[in-house]
Amino acid sequence: GENVEQHPSTLSVQEGDSAVIKCTYSDSASNYFPWYKQELGKRPQLIIDIRSNVGEKKDQRIAVTLNKTAKHFSLHITETQPEDSAVYFCAAIISNFGNEKLTFGTGTRLTIIP
Amino acid sequence: SAVISQKPSRDICQRGTSLTIQCQVDSQVTMMFWYRQQPGQSLTLIATANQGSEATYESGFVIDKFPISRPNLTFSTLTVSNMSPEDSSIYLCSVRTGSDTQYFGPGTRLTVL
Repeated sequence: GENVEQHPSTLSVQEGDSAVIKCTYSDSASNYFPWYKQELGKRPQLIIDIRSNVGEKKDQRIAVTLNKTAKHFSLHITETQPEDSAVYFCAAIISNFGNEKLTFGTGTRLTIIP
Repeated sequence: SAVISQKPSRDICQRGTSLTIQCQVDSQVTMMFWYRQQPGQSLTLIATANQGSEATYESGFVIDKFPISRPNLTFSTLTVSNMSPEDSSIYLCSVRTGSDTQYFGPGTRLTVL
C-alpha cells in the first residue's frame, strides 16, 4: 500500500519568514495530495490540495508543489503569522472516485515565533 | 464543503462499558470513515462505513470491538465496546464528497477510567 513520509516533525520559524514542509510518497499511482491543518483541540481542516495533473497550486500565502518524478510534494507558507501555528498533515491517495483511502503523513508541528 | 456533527463531543466512561458515537453530515456523501487520533499522533483509519452493508475494517481493528452502522448516506455510528483505558483517544468521523475532497468532524474525546 501507499506510504507517506513527512519532514520535519517540528519546525519553528520567525514570524514573517517562510515555512516549508515536505512529504514523499511511495505509490506512483497516487494522484491527489491534500494538506490539513490541525489547531490544538480542533479537527483537521483541509487548507489546500493538488492533483497530479498540475505542478503547483497557490492560495494567498499558501502554496503546494508536486514533483511526480521524484514522488514528493511540499507545502509552502509565506509571511508566516502566529495563527499559522498548528500541526500540518500531508496525505496521498489514488483517486478515481472509488474506495481508495487517504494515507496520512506523521505530521509537522509548526510554531511561529513572534 | 460538508458540515459534519458528532455526538457526544466528549465523554468519560468506565472500563468494560460501551460508547456509541454518532456522526451526521448535512448532505449525501460518497464515503464515510472513522479515524482514531492519539495525542500528538497522526490519524489512524479504523474503518470505512458502507451504506447498508458491513463496514470495511483496517488491520488491527475488528467488528466486535468497533461495530459500525451506516443506515443511510448522511449518518453513521461507531461503538467502542468493552472499553479499556487504552481506548482513550479522539475519534473522528470523516466524509468524502463527490469532488473527492475529504472533511473531518469535530471529534469525540473519549476518556476511559
